[in-house]
Amino acid sequence: DSGVTQTPKHLITATGQRVTLRCSPRSGDLSVYWYQQSLDQGLQFLIQYYNGEERAKGNILERFSAQQFPDLHSELNLSSLELGDSALYFCASSAQGTSNQPQHFGDGTRLSIL
Amino acid sequence: AQKITQTQPGMFVQEKEAVTLDCTYDTSDQSYGLFWYKQPSSGEMIFLIYQGSYDEQNATEGRYSLNFQKARKSANLVISASQLGDSAMYFCAMREGYRTPLVFGKGTRLSVIA
Repeated sequence: DSGVTQTPKHLITATGQRVTLRCSPRSGDLSVYWYQQSLDQGLQFLIQYYNGEERAKGNILERFSAQQFPDLHSELNLSSLELGDSALYFCASSAQGTSNQPQHFGDGTRLSIL
Repeated sequence: AQKITQTQPGMFVQEKEAVTLDCTYDTSDQSYGLFWYKQPSSGEMIFLIYQGSYDEQNATEGRYSLNFQKARKSANLVISASQLGDSAMYFCAMREGYRTPLVFGKGTRLSVIA
């Protein structure tokens, strides 16, 4: 158990819809990262938050947004969903401090767009 | 250019044998970290081992060791005494600097044969 909790585990929805994925980081971790894993693109970084503030942006579409709340949990919002958004979405968290802190991943949310 | 290259899409190894999974990386940063993750068929991402760019010794964690050759920019994962439960996708990843996102390779699918 990595200590990172993601809900829901599975999500099935239709094109054009909007969904929210939730992540609770490990206790004490201030950094939260979102990644998308798809068959054709592999594991891609989407966005990072550190203690409530956006720290880095990767290949995140404009239809996607995220935030980190004061209690450090994070939500990833995906809107106007397309078939190509079907993927496994991971949240990861890491402790502050030295660079050797690994990112610990949640079990992921598997999103299927019909 | 790809920052992380894993040239072996798939590998087979006999149970109890050792196996090496290749990873080369590309960075101009002096401070970086290299990570290996395991992804079983159930989908979760499991952190295995870390190597820092300034570490002089190769990292080891149980049956996992990292063959770090800085001049060649390679960070190969060695799994000793393979077990059936080692069958999974293995991802090499790099982080440049501190608290930054990971960049992943495309992965190597390892199959352990009884």
